[in-house]
Amino acid sequence: DAGVIQSPRHEVTEMGQEVTLRCKPISGHNSLFWYRQTMMRGLELLIYFNNNVPIDDSGMPEDRFSAKMPNASFSTLKIQPSEPRDSAVYFCASSLATGQPQHFGDGTRLSIL
Amino acid sequence: TQLLEQSPQFLSIQEGENLTVYCNSSSVFSSLQWYRQEPGEGPVLLVTVVTGGEVKKLKRLTFQFGDARKDSSLHITAAQPGDTGLYLCAGANAGGTSYGKLTFGQGTILTVHP
Repeated sequence: DAGVIQSPRHEVTEMGQEVTLRCKPISGHNSLFWYRQTMMRGLELLIYFNNNVPIDDSGMPEDRFSAKMPNASFSTLKIQPSEPRDSAVYFCASSLATGQPQHFGDGTRLSIL
Repeated sequence: TQLLEQSPQFLSIQEGENLTVYCNSSSVFSSLQWYRQEPGEGPVLLVTVVTGGEVKKLKRLTFQFGDARKDSSLHITAAQPGDTGLYLCAGANAGGTSYGKLTFGQGTILTVHP
């Protein structure tokens, strides 16, 4: 079975550029989560969706970050403009329903120069 | 804001030793999940504990959920180099508008030397 698929796996770009991270959740999963992981702050929830609707975006750092889920099989996390402090590994996860165990993708390692 | 404090942050032991990782909070969780993460990969679920006082065993790993559902522990018996990795606990919100939202601990980096 295909797991959560994230792309790209690595992204290196200059500050000020727009960055778009993509996620395809496991088919049939109704909840989707975006996390950011750094050594300093660990794994932080940015936003999560239930049935394609954003439920809690309180973890989104600032207005430069936005996330969409246009349909049940695709979500994007966009950073515009990007800054060096956005450098981190970004994970997408999905679950059958809210509160159920989450299945993580392999992450996107983002470096902003 | 719910917080989960995980300890220790780092653990370096020899093969064959036993170890325990702790996960503590002042908040009540509807369930607590333990994940293991290897470099370059996402966290992978090991176990979910739901009932206060629950104990679950996964081969050499024993997971316990506190009676009040505020804390948990992971005990590994006779650790092996293959157990090396980052262990994360995560508590699921008990209710409210963010029901099911996970709060992660900072993680424990375990290194088991041959």
